[in-house]
Amino acid sequence: QSVLTQPPSVSGAPGQRVTISCTGSSSNIGAGYDVHWYQQPPGTAPKLLIYGNNNRPSGVPDRFSGSKSGTSASLAITGLQADDEADYYCQSYDSSLSGWVFGGGTKLTVL
Amino acid sequence: EVQLVESGGGLVQPGGSLRLSCAASGFTFSNYAMSWVRQAPGKGLEWVSVLSGGGGGGTDYADSVKGRFTISRDNSKSTLYLQMNSLRAEDTAVYYCAKYAGMKWQNYYMDVWGKGTTVTVSS
Repeated sequence: QSVLTQPPSVSGAPGQRVTISCTGSSSNIGAGYDVHWYQQPPGTAPKLLIYGNNNRPSGVPDRFSGSKSGTSASLAITGLQADDEADYYCQSYDSSLSGWVFGGGTKLTVL
Repeated sequence: EVQLVESGGGLVQPGGSLRLSCAASGFTFSNYAMSWVRQAPGKGLEWVSVLSGGGGGGTDYADSVKGRFTISRDNSKSTLYLQMNSLRAEDTAVYYCAKYAGMKWQNYYMDVWGKGTTVTVSS
């Protein structure tokens, strides 16, 4: 059971908008630690998608955006494309565990 | 080009040992904290260990590996290591090496990942 809770799956049609939630607690997201997001297409290594709650590394399209409020964070993807199909993971730091924690991952299916 | 290449994975019996390596290139390796993250078959990502950069030498481990795994680095070779002892079936996973970025330790994120090396613990 992951410290950060994500829905196991989400889906959407091409061109639509989807959001993926990441719920934590007062020892991680609620403590003010940043949330980061990673994308992992099937059979490949994870790739940084969003860092510092809402910042995109160079090369990541502005269709991807992040937000954070209280003990939760969200990843939004607009204009869904077929190659957005992947697993998405949120990550933060947990003061109780004294280490970095990931969400359980969300599988995005583009219908 | 910034690159991380892991090696050293394989099949090992329960109770055995293995040392993973991660060769870094394209950046000043010594300046950055580095980490190991693993992914069991069909499962999500699990942070394993961190080693600080800039000469700090600080380390930390997930509770699941504390006392069994040791992270280290050789800055002269731009290489990160993970010594894994007393291996268990539940350590079976793809092990990724990742470079940390960020301004504050607790807000570090992993901006570069290797392709991973597979460790299988089985008799």
